[in-house]
Amino acid sequence: DAKTTQPNSMESNEEEPVHLPCNHSTISGTDYIHWYRQLPSQGPEYVIHGLTSNVNNRMASLAIAEDRKSSTLILHRATLRDAAVYYCILSATGGSNYKLTFGKGTLLTVNP
Amino acid sequence: KAGVTQTPRYLIKTRGQQVTLSCSPISGHRSVSWYQQTPGQGLQFLFEYFSETQRNKGNFPGRFSGRQFSNSRSEMNVSTLELGDSALYLCASTKTRTGGYTFGSGTRLTVV
Repeated sequence: DAKTTQPNSMESNEEEPVHLPCNHSTISGTDYIHWYRQLPSQGPEYVIHGLTSNVNNRMASLAIAEDRKSSTLILHRATLRDAAVYYCILSATGGSNYKLTFGKGTLLTVNP
Repeated sequence: KAGVTQTPRYLIKTRGQQVTLSCSPISGHRSVSWYQQTPGQGLQFLFEYFSETQRNKGNFPGRFSGRQFSNSRSEMNVSTLELGDSALYLCASTKTRTGGYTFGSGTRLTVV
């Protein structure tokens, strides 16, 4: 399974942009890049996902490097509710391998 | 719209017993996956079902099994419970294999 590498923790201030990096140098051509976040005692929450092009939705933006070996989740204005563990995951869609392989994620702290 | 529903939310079982957990996916989602989350191992993939067929299985012993019904609802069963099976069990559903996953809130299983 292709692996992702994320910083263990990051800190941000409220109302400032946050850039969460993820490296995935062994990504294959059919792997989608997913981002989820998780609050304590809750299930992961879908944030955004993409294949090759940059993606935007109401929660965040996903910037994917041209060689697809890295990506960045961008929260445009952090709020206290954005404090969570953020997981960068590769979703293997080739063959019969449909699953998400979670790493340890990045713990994002948002300071008021 | 209704999200992914997992029942029960909390469960306490004794070593050696068996347990069945239930997951109702979002309407129209035919793929259901199960994950185990523990403080030590993080989120680990158990198995994935699509149209009542298991498509993929994680690295767990045969005591862990599952099934999916014609209405896409899924159950997972753990037999001969061990203390190490204490965990948060999460279910996720998706409409297509290239789409985002929606997770339930999980079932917290405690084995004593």
